[in-house]
Amino acid sequence: DTEVTQTPKHLVMGMTNKKSLKCEQHMGHRAMYWYKQKAKKPPELMFVYSYEKLSINESVPSRFSPECPNSSLLNLHLHALQPEDSALYLCATSGPGPEKLFFGSGTQLSVL
Amino acid sequence: GENVEQHPSTLSVQEGDSAVIKCTYSDSASNYFPWYKQELGKGPQLIIDIRSNVGEKKDQRIAVTLNKTAKHFSLHITETQPEDSAVYFCAARTPPGADGLTFGKGTHLIIQP
Repeated sequence: DTEVTQTPKHLVMGMTNKKSLKCEQHMGHRAMYWYKQKAKKPPELMFVYSYEKLSINESVPSRFSPECPNSSLLNLHLHALQPEDSALYLCATSGPGPEKLFFGSGTQLSVL
Repeated sequence: GENVEQHPSTLSVQEGDSAVIKCTYSDSASNYFPWYKQELGKGPQLIIDIRSNVGEKKDQRIAVTLNKTAKHFSLHITETQPEDSAVYFCAARTPPGADGLTFGKGTHLIIQP
């Protein structure tokens, strides 16, 4: 069982839609991450939040917009996505140090 | 930056046999090496990890070994069971480590009944 909860589990959206992915953690960790994972590939880092502030943006297109409202919540706002953005989007936390990463179950996103 | 190579990409073993997955890393400053198991439709789950000041770590049927000189580390699963079937990723973290992990490409482990 994971203590990192992601919703929704599945999402289908058109290229003109606006949607949001949500992540909630109850582990007390202060670093939160968004990863993108294509089929049969390893996770790729998108964003890192440390103490609720964006610390790393791995050159992600602006159609992906992260938000960290508080230490337990992480959102990823999606707008004008492309079909190639279809992937599994994973939220993760780390703590007490930066080493151990704990992943949620992910949101499987399909862009039509 | 760090580069992690993982082999094999697919491994098929008979139930009850052992499985070994190997990874090499390029940055000698890397000091933390976790292994993740990912089942279909789920996120990666941390199953075991090792720090650079340790040569071997074991947890029931799973063990990890680290050779710092050769810059490689391996996952060993003994007495494999059907529920061990999954994709396994090795990873490495280079200090200060705030940008997450560098992952290997993954190994699809298939346990044949």
